[in-house]
Amino acid sequence: GQNIDQPTEMTATEGAIVQINCTYQTSGFNGLFWYQQHAGEAPTFLSYNVLDGLEEKGRFSSFLSRSKGYSYLLLKELQMKDSASYLCAVREIGDSWGKFQFGAGTQVVVTP
Amino acid sequence: DGGITQSPKYLFRKEGQNVTLSCEQNLNHDAMYWYRQDPGQGLRLIYYSQIVNDFQKGDIAEGYSVSREKKESFPLTVTSAQKNPTAFYLCASGGMGGYTFGSGTRLTVV
Repeated sequence: GQNIDQPTEMTATEGAIVQINCTYQTSGFNGLFWYQQHAGEAPTFLSYNVLDGLEEKGRFSSFLSRSKGYSYLLLKELQMKDSASYLCAVREIGDSWGKFQFGAGTQVVVTP
Repeated sequence: DGGITQSPKYLFRKEGQNVTLSCEQNLNHDAMYWYRQDPGQGLRLIYYSQIVNDFQKGDIAEGYSVSREKKESFPLTVTSAQKNPTAFYLCASGGMGGYTFGSGTRLTVV
């Protein structure tokens, strides 16, 4: 099994940068995913890390350190539409595609 | 367009009733999953299936049942044995690149 921890809520101003940290413990790591979820909607895929380092996708970047069991999602040039919950998910080794375990999500509130 | 469809979007259940949530995908994914989401909590795995006619219990399977008779379909039945079924239910199908989620079903017990 595994434990995934991320902050409950973060508030930032439009145009600013926010970093959402995620720590995890797993017996068989096989990838870390970040999803964005607006209230009442399905989560949508943002990024994926399986090797250490930084993955950049436009305004969003994600970092992974497997030795530290640590990842972060960096949101730059925040926009009002970025107000959402951000879910950290870890995929386990085993089975065909691997099951995911999700953190509780970090609610990001963007203020004008 | 390929995707995953859940229905209905909202569902109301009386005490003691069984209800079935539909999930259909045309992404040709082998693996499908059902998650439950409660306020302030992460997604919790109910059941998953990696191949037709086979499925496994997740972390919170009690009070739920599933079937996988076709690759495209993975319906979830919430039985009367589920003590607190009010929640947001998400179906997902998976490839190596991650999950694709359906739009969810909000179930309320009345």
